[in-house]
Amino acid sequence: EAQVTQNPRYLITVTGKKLTVTCSQNMNHEYMSWYRQDPGLGLRQIYYSMNVEVTDKGDVPEGYKVSRKEKRNFPLILESPSPNQTSLYFCASSLRGNSNQPQHFGDGTRLSIL
Amino acid sequence: GQNIDQPTEMTATEGAIVQINCTYQTSGFNGLFWYQQHAGEAPTFLSYNVLDGLEEKGRFSSFLSRSKGYSYLLLKELQMKDSASYLCAVRSFPVPGGSGAGSYQLTFGKGTKLSVIP
Repeated sequence: EAQVTQNPRYLITVTGKKLTVTCSQNMNHEYMSWYRQDPGLGLRQIYYSMNVEVTDKGDVPEGYKVSRKEKRNFPLILESPSPNQTSLYFCASSLRGNSNQPQHFGDGTRLSIL
Repeated sequence: GQNIDQPTEMTATEGAIVQINCTYQTSGFNGLFWYQQHAGEAPTFLSYNVLDGLEEKGRFSSFLSRSKGYSYLLLKELQMKDSASYLCAVRSFPVPGGSGAGSYQLTFGKGTKLSVIP
């Protein structure tokens, strides 16, 4: 089954404790992206990747890092999480960044930073 | 930067037709997507427009006017299950300071929460 898998689905942690949210897709997609969704602000892009070893900042990259060493994986790293990073996070992928093929979204990761 | 505007909330009656508007301002326009998102779930794709005109897909249609920076999503024969948020997203290129040619960014509007009532 074609899917985008995020882990964990839920996480409560404390300020400053490094964490990684994994994202994996099995559709051989070139383009992958991370978003955060907050009430009243909608979906905002954090980082995206056009292909392996190619990553770019989105609208809200501060406090986040990503890597794209393999085509299928695009982890999101919070080196020193802070409470303002409490949010619902979505990973998404599409065949290519410039195609008319839509993005497929993972089920989301709800992060709470205390 | 990019600016995308949609109404925050709309209410419509089961069986009726509703039009959700989206206006945008962007440089390097390269396509507009509509997504549906039910509460607590991931967005799912509805439609894509890159050229002016109407794209029809069953009960859902989407229209684009690039010169006006305007799109709408039309939902016909509304059903209760259509109660959801509808997200307009604009793709643009190339991104200044990005990784170079082919660097595309997708920006979402804040979404329109549609409530369908009996």
